Parts: sequence; structure tokens; C-alpha cells
Amino acid sequence: DQQVKQNSPSLSVQEGRISILNCDYTNSMFDYFLWYKKYPAEGPTFLISISSIKDKNEDGRFTVFLNKSAKHLSLHIVPSQPGDSAVYFCAASGRYNQGGKLIFGQGTELSVKP
Amino acid sequence: DGGITQSPKYLFRKEGQNVTLSCEQNLNHDAMYWYRQDPGQGLRLIYYSQIVNDFQKGDIAEGYSVSREKKESFPLTVTSAQKNPTAFYLCASSIDPYLMGKFFGPGTRLTVL
Repeated sequence: DQQVKQNSPSLSVQEGRISILNCDYTNSMFDYFLWYKKYPAEGPTFLISISSIKDKNEDGRFTVFLNKSAKHLSLHIVPSQPGDSAVYFCAASGRYNQGGKLIFGQGTELSVKP
Repeated sequence: DGGITQSPKYLFRKEGQNVTLSCEQNLNHDAMYWYRQDPGQGLRLIYYSQIVNDFQKGDIAEGYSVSREKKESFPLTVTSAQKNPTAFYLCASSIDPYLMGKFFGPGTRLTVL
């Protein structure tokens, strides 16, 4: 059973426009969510996180939205730049009730075209 | 410059051989983790260590072993018992005891021939 799902394996966006990456989860015990960016043959780079007590967190061009009732989170990148082209992973964790284990989605490959 | 280093970046081994992947961190984090990534999949937890001289199995520990003799180091041995060892291996560390890894190393690509 896949507790964290990224249903879009790929996304293509024009430079300057908004990129929206989506992630769904099934476990209501998750209380902390993270987004990572990953280039081929490199380790994931932490981008942004959100606690379940919030519904939005913003850091520069990156904003994460959390909809707990829908068990859905999304990462918005505005404006998108060619350097944003990478695979993006969402991860969920139950920090205080699930031992803090990170459960990753399958990833979405973002391509930002000039 | 604080960070996590993994060596080597690429590793080739013959089937049936054990191989040890290195992970070192100078972030002064107590907790360290090993994940595995396969194509088209998310990362999966192999082993973790919350403190020196202690470690626990993750979701896919079979065929792997670890040691944690020093705070800075958490080597992973891929044994001949691991059925599908070819993968990208990632080491992570965390200062938050309630979060199993936040910062990752650059990874080691292991190919078993």
C-alpha cells in the first residue's frame, strides 16, 4: 500500500509560469510534510516543509499548501525557472506517533522550458 | 563547511561479494539513516541509528548490515544475501530525533555485475 502518492510522473511548464506539483497521502497520522528536489545521480535537497498545524508555508518562490481534510499537499513554484528542472519528491512523517519515519512519494519530474 | 559525504560516488562489484558504502557527517547530528532509491520509486529506509552504538532495521533491512562506532560515521554493508543490490544509496542525518532524516548526502550508485 502506497501511503504517499505523486500521481503525475512528469510535468512540463513554460519559464516564468507557475509550476504546481501535487501529492496525496492516506495516513491521517502524518503530521509533517517535506518537499525535496533531486537531480540525477545526486542526493535530494530539502526545499520546504510544513507542519500539520499550518495550511501554508512560503519560502521565496516556493509555497507549500496543505489540505488536511483532502489529505493533499501541493508545491507551487512561482515563477518557474529552467534551473528548477529536476525530480521533486514529497515526503510525509508522523513525527510523534509514527517514529518520525519519512515516507516518500514516487517523484514528479518537472521540466521548465525556456 | 558542514555536510554529509558519501564515497565512492560509483561502485561496481561482482555478484556474491560484500561491499561497504561510506557515510560521514560533520553536522554533529546524533541520528543517521540509510535509504535506497530505485528507478521510478521513492526512497525506502534500510537502517537507522539514533545514537552511537545503537541502530535499528528499517523497512528493507534484509541483506544489509550497519555499524555506528562513531557519531560521524555510519557505514552500510551490502551483503551477498541482498537479492537486488543494484541501486542508488543515500545517507541522511537529522538533528531532530522525531524526523528520520532531513539532509541527504550525494549518494552512491552501486552496480552489481
